[in-house]
Amino acid sequence: ETGVTQSPTHLIKTRGQQVTLRCSSQSGHNTVSWYQQALGQGPQFIFQYYREEENGRGNFPPRFSGLQFPNYSSELNVNALELDDSALYLCASSQVSLRGRETQYFGPGTRLLVL
Amino acid sequence: KQEVTQIPAALSVPEGENLVLNCSFTDSAIYNLQWFRQDPGKGLTSLLLIQSSQREQTSGRLNASLDKSSGRSTLYIAASQPGDSATYLCAVSRYGGSQGNLIFGKGTKLSVKP
Repeated sequence: ETGVTQSPTHLIKTRGQQVTLRCSSQSGHNTVSWYQQALGQGPQFIFQYYREEENGRGNFPPRFSGLQFPNYSSELNVNALELDDSALYLCASSQVSLRGRETQYFGPGTRLLVL
Repeated sequence: KQEVTQIPAALSVPEGENLVLNCSFTDSAIYNLQWFRQDPGKGLTSLLLIQSSQREQTSGRLNASLDKSSGRSTLYIAASQPGDSATYLCAVSRYGGSQGNLIFGKGTKLSVKP
């Protein structure tokens, strides 16, 4: 167990709807990243938050947005869902320190199905 | 644009065999390389992290090597066990990029038969 939790575990939505996915970081971690993993593919970086500010973004449209809260929990919001948004959504938390980049700890993921 | 490739896509071996998984990347300007394990429908578990200045890392029966100049890494698993069955993912971190910017390969699906 990594100490990173995600909710819900599974979700079914229809095209055009909006969805919010949640992540609770490991205690003491100030950075959270979100990834999308389509079936049979490796995870793709969506964005990262560091101390409540977006700190890097992958090649995803603006309808993918996020928030990080003072307690370092995080949300991923996706508007106007498309069929291709069906995937496993993973969040990962880490603690950025003076030593530099640390190992990221991944949550179990949320499986989203868009019909 | 950095691309990560993993070969083979799938591998089936009998229990007890030693095996090697391969990972290659197109841009040698990386900060670190990580190997992850993913069980079906689950999240990722970090196995080994190699900084760009290092050549290898070991943990138990696992050994990962890194040859940055040639853009290659290998994950060696000794004395494989059925519990090692999973998908193994390789990921590189962009040099100077944000920490979260891991670029993954598609993975190698390993099946170890009793």
